Amino acid sequence: GENVEQHPSTLSVQEGDSAVIKCTYSDSASNYFPWYKQELGKGPQLIIDIRSNVGEKKDQRIAVTLNKTAKHFSLHITETQPEDSAVYFCAAGGGGDYKLSFGAGTTVTVRA
Amino acid sequence: EAGVTQSPTHLIKTRGQQATLRCSPISGHTSVYWYQQALGLGLQFLLWYDEGEERNRGNFPPRFSGRQFPNYSSELNVNALELEDSALYLCASSQRRNEQYFGPGTRLTVT
Repeated sequence: GENVEQHPSTLSVQEGDSAVIKCTYSDSASNYFPWYKQELGKGPQLIIDIRSNVGEKKDQRIAVTLNKTAKHFSLHITETQPEDSAVYFCAAGGGGDYKLSFGAGTTVTVRA
Repeated sequence: EAGVTQSPTHLIKTRGQQATLRCSPISGHTSVYWYQQALGLGLQFLLWYDEGEERNRGNFPPRFSGRQFPNYSSELNVNALELEDSALYLCASSQRRNEQYFGPGTRLTVT
């Protein structure tokens, strides 16, 4: 089955700086890679996703890059703000069974 | 547009009892997925229902089961509860391939 590894597990950044979270996956059949943000006491919120026919996607301050050859993808958050503090999860799926395999999560803290 | 809703918000059970968790998908979504999120851990895939049928299940014992109703809402049943079943149970719904939207979860505590 698919195995997704996510690094780092915790990330502390100064407000205004950038944050980068990296994930690797094992199943070459995976073709869909979403990122979720989970705030305390809430369910995960889909913030951006990318499919394997695209190498990069951007939405305002967040961007995701995908390297299918190396089987890794990354989330970039620029100009971080206190409200960006949350747990971020990467996931991989689309191998035919439509389930998502999640990384273990990254706790991001933005220092004011 | 209303999001995915789950009930109850919290559920406290004792070992050996049964728990029933409910999920209503986003209007127009036909797929429902269930995930378990144990404290401090990632999300583990439990079950996937689409058009009323169970399509896939994760590596969980048979005492985890569920169903999907004609209105696409879903129910997750956990029989013979064990302490390690304590977790946040998340439901997600999907209309197109893979884009899953999550509800707020049901916090199950087994004592």
